[in-house]
Amino acid sequence: DAKTTQPPSMDCAEGRAANLPCNHSTISGNEYVYWYRQIHSQGPQYIIHGLKNNETNEMASLIITEDRKSSTLILPHATLRDTAVYYCIVASMDSNYQLIWGAGTKLIIKP
Amino acid sequence: KAGVTQTPRYLIKTRGQQVTLSCSPISGHRSVSWYQQTPGQGLQFLFEYFSETQRNKGNFPGRFSGRQFSNSRSEMNVSTLELGDSALYLCASSTIDSTDTQYFGPGTRLTVL
Repeated sequence: DAKTTQPPSMDCAEGRAANLPCNHSTISGNEYVYWYRQIHSQGPQYIIHGLKNNETNEMASLIITEDRKSSTLILPHATLRDTAVYYCIVASMDSNYQLIWGAGTKLIIKP
Repeated sequence: KAGVTQTPRYLIKTRGQQVTLSCSPISGHRSVSWYQQTPGQGLQFLFEYFSETQRNKGNFPGRFSGRQFSNSRSEMNVSTLELGDSALYLCASSTIDSTDTQYFGPGTRLTVL
């Protein structure tokens, strides 16, 4: 079973920041938080990952709470092309980073 | 660098046949994982290969098998196809660094009639 909980769907206005929450209350100390997204019928695309510090790259920012039980993916200026299913996953070297996928959040960006 | 490539992109087979799908990882990546994605079950892990050895296996019947070659290219085989095997089959490759980020190919859409 997936170790994360995400809302099934969210809307966001184009140009605004999209904040996608993820709950991973049973995360263990050596597990990373990964975010991927999947645009319809394409292969999943890696977005960002982190262990305990906040991370930022050209696509997004990842904010992880101090207790590591939840995180938020932030797309700073959402565009229509960001409409996709976003998956939050935790994995560690102990499991050879085997990714166990939940249902994700369907993010719809509206003009 | 070129991304992960999968061939063929689309495939139609009939029940009872067998099929072989191919995956070429990103150059330098030695780990290849395979996933099945269906509307009802979502993305499910099939198996993972590293240096020609299967390291992890998901909960799929023995009809699903795979292998990895010395150049890290991988194939998966499904024998005695069933209607329920219709799915998008995804391959992902990764490095062996501490975070093992996976990069996915476009997938092979298999339809079993």
